[in-house]
Amino acid sequence: AQSVTQLDSQVPVFEEAPVELRCNYSSSVSVYLFWYVQYPNQGLQLLLKYLSGSTLVESINGFEAEFNKSQTSFHLRKPSVHISDTAEYFCAVSEGTGGFKTIFGAGTRLFVKA
Amino acid sequence: EAGVAQSPRYKIIEKRQSVAFWCNPISGHATLYWYQQILGQGPKLLIQFQNNGVVDDSQLPKDRFSAERLKGVDSTLKIQPAKLEDSAVYLCASSPRTLNIQYFGAGTRLSVL
Repeated sequence: AQSVTQLDSQVPVFEEAPVELRCNYSSSVSVYLFWYVQYPNQGLQLLLKYLSGSTLVESINGFEAEFNKSQTSFHLRKPSVHISDTAEYFCAVSEGTGGFKTIFGAGTRLFVKA
Repeated sequence: EAGVAQSPRYKIIEKRQSVAFWCNPISGHATLYWYQQILGQGPKLLIQFQNNGVVDDSQLPKDRFSAERLKGVDSTLKIQPAKLEDSAVYLCASSPRTLNIQYFGAGTRLSVL
């Protein structure tokens, strides 16, 4: 069965500093990987996804994530964060065999300080 | 394009009462999901519909939870009777087809007292 572990529940960081939010998954089959962002009192929004092809994927607002099959990881990074990046970030995985059920991690709260 | 609509935004009830949530997905989206998000946890899938058929309801507590998607469009999720541990945010999402980007509504925050 698949599972997702987000290793940090909270990550405080100063504005313009780099950040990495860690995500590891377990699965016995091929997977599709996602990062979603949730701003206060809002629903989740897709930030980026890995379905196939290049293992490095990027979002329009400067985030990137790299699929590492050997380490079963999909860490999210940004070289310079802004106050507006303060939010909850969820890693999610769907197995590539029937059903495509999506499992979400517990989330990482990114808090960007001025 | 209108997003996923959910109502109500907030609901407070006492234990053993009943409650219903409503979701209107993005027009044309065949797949609809209901998730339960308990404070401090990630969303947990309760039920997934493909058009008006159930694809997965393995984690739906069927003794108290029920859901339907009439005519393959909007959907309702009901809890009867509610328990204290049902306090959570209930999220509805839709996607054009299975395994695609999921578009989430703002959620309904349920407090059971």
